[in-house]
Amino acid sequence: SQELEQSPQSLIVQEGKNLTINCTSSKTLYGLYWYKQKYGEGLIFLMMLQKGGEEKSHEKITAKLDEKKQQSSLHITASQPSHAGIYLCGADYGGSQGNLIFGKGTKLSVKP
Amino acid sequence: DTGVSQNPRHKITKRGQNVTFRCDPISEHNRLYWYRQTLGQGPEFLTYFQNEAQLEKSRLLSDRFSAERPKGSFSTLEIQRTEQGDSAMYLCASSLSGTLEKLFFGSGTQLSVL
Repeated sequence: SQELEQSPQSLIVQEGKNLTINCTSSKTLYGLYWYKQKYGEGLIFLMMLQKGGEEKSHEKITAKLDEKKQQSSLHITASQPSHAGIYLCGADYGGSQGNLIFGKGTKLSVKP
Repeated sequence: DTGVSQNPRHKITKRGQNVTFRCDPISEHNRLYWYRQTLGQGPEFLTYFQNEAQLEKSRLLSDRFSAERPKGSFSTLEIQRTEQGDSAMYLCASSLSGTLEKLFFGSGTQLSVL
């Protein structure tokens, strides 16, 4: 079974709408990373969360890690076409440095 | 230095041929990672180096795969006797050593094995 589940698998929203992507781990996280990927490109780092209850924001994107450190959410406010892409969460379980376990990603499309 | 650089961007090869990819990390980063990503999946860890030492290898890294980082700077990933199942995006990432350091990814090399 997958250690890290992302939902939804894909999402289509109208420009200007808010949206949330979830990432759920089957075990306690040491750290949780969010990346964005354009089709056929590398991953762009968005945010990293470590502490339970932590919340970080950058421009219109906010990421949270729950108190139990098993679930994270990524929230985009007033979405724009530039937000379109694949959002990936990556889990660090503390065993190996840099060996992140990634979810399958959420494909976001924003309709103008 | 503008980031992690990977070459080539695309590689098409016939089954059974050998291929080699190169990764140039961010210059001050001492850790370098290789990941593989297939369509619709997240990246999967293959191996990582701290300086020139290869510290961990995934069981995904069969004996047809070999990675080197001879001087602790750039790295190469070679696949011998390629198979159609090797078709994937091969991603390189680098970071500074330490816990929970950001991984910076390159744009990847897209391999197609015909």
